This record gives sequence, C-alpha cells and structure tokens, in this order.
Amino acid sequence: DIQMTQSPSSLSASVGDRVTITCQASQDINNYLNWFQQKPGKAPNLLIYGASNLETGVPSRFSGSGSGTDFTFTISSLQPEDIATYYCQQSHNLPYTFGQGTKLEIK
Amino acid sequence: QVQLQESGPGLVKPSETLSLTCTVSGGSISSSYWSWIRQPPGKGLEWIGNIYYSQSTNYNPSLKSRVTISLDTSKNQFSLNLSAVTAADTAVYYCARDSVSATSDAFDIWGQGTMVTVSS
Repeated sequence: DIQMTQSPSSLSASVGDRVTITCQASQDINNYLNWFQQKPGKAPNLLIYGASNLETGVPSRFSGSGSGTDFTFTISSLQPEDIATYYCQQSHNLPYTFGQGTKLEIK
Repeated sequence: QVQLQESGPGLVKPSETLSLTCTVSGGSISSSYWSWIRQPPGKGLEWIGNIYYSQSTNYNPSLKSRVTISLDTSKNQFSLNLSAVTAADTAVYYCARDSVSATSDAFDIWGQGTMVTVSS
C-alpha cells in the first residue's frame, strides 16, 4: 500500500493567516492526489483533485500543488469557517489511502 | 444533483454480518465507480472497496476476505456486506461516488454517513 504522511498533525492559526499543509507519498503517485475537508459530524468534502484542480464551488482561497511524492495544500487567508480536519488521499494505486489528517484550529 | 444516502442497522453483534445499502438519487448508478469508506470514532479514513456499474469490484486487501460489494441498477443502489465483524469494525460508514477521468480519480460526492456499532 502507498503510505500518505501529512504534516503537521495539528495546526493553530489566526484568521487571515496563510496556512500550509504538506502530504508526502511513499512512492510516486504522479498527480493523483486529492484534498478533503471534514467538519465535525459531517462527511468529508472534496476541495482539490488531481493535486491542483479546485472542485466546483470551492472558494479560491484553497489551492494545491505538487507532483510525484510531495504535495502542498494552502489556504491563502484563513476564515473562521475553515476550522476542520483536512485529509490528503492518493488515487494512483489500489487500495486508495488517506493521510492521517491535519486538525486546523483558530488561535 | 446526485445525492447518496446510506441505510442499515446501527448495531451489529460480534461475528455477524454488517449490511449497508447506499441509495443514489438525482442520477444513474450506471455511469460511475461507487465506493465504501469508513472512519472509526476519532480516527482517520479507510477505503473499503468499490464497484463499477459493470459489476467489477476492487477491495482493500486488509478487508478482502470479509467484504462483498454489490450493485442493483434497477433500484439505483449499491450495498456493502462485511462478515465476521468485531469491535474493530465499529465506525461511521460512508458511501461515495468515485469520479474517474483520464487525469484524475476522486470521491466527489459522499453520503452523510451511518454509524455502525459492533456490540453484543
């Protein structure tokens, strides 16, 4: 299985801050990398697919980059409604695997 | 707008079979891959397996010996059976559409999730 390692596991930031989360795959996954946002008690919501493509309806403050094994997810200006846990997920090989999650809190 | 809704028992006894159904509304099931994903309380996400409308399936090797996913096009539903459950199978179970293209593959639509507890 491909292991997905997210960093950091938790993050505290202020409204308006630029927030960055990284995700590293244990082997080359090209650009088959997705990012999800999960709020408490809710299903995950797709934000970014194919490493850098913004899902329809997702605010433009969210972005993703990277290819191969190293990927970055960025919120350009943190908003209060962005408080959630964020997961990366690879779809290059079966079984699909997720990172362990990054819990984002407001400072 | 495609929507997914999971249904099934919220409590299953150890050693029995967990059975869930996902109903697809607002679109046809005969055009995509469909997945099951689970999340134990307070933990991360685990992909269980998927099915294509042609009935071809893929399973996570960690669960493969216990999992069966099936699809009923007449009802626009797909189902999960997980046999010989233990407390470790206690989780929120999600169904999701697996949207596949030439350059990407992502779970773009999810059900709300259903909590299943394994306990006697």
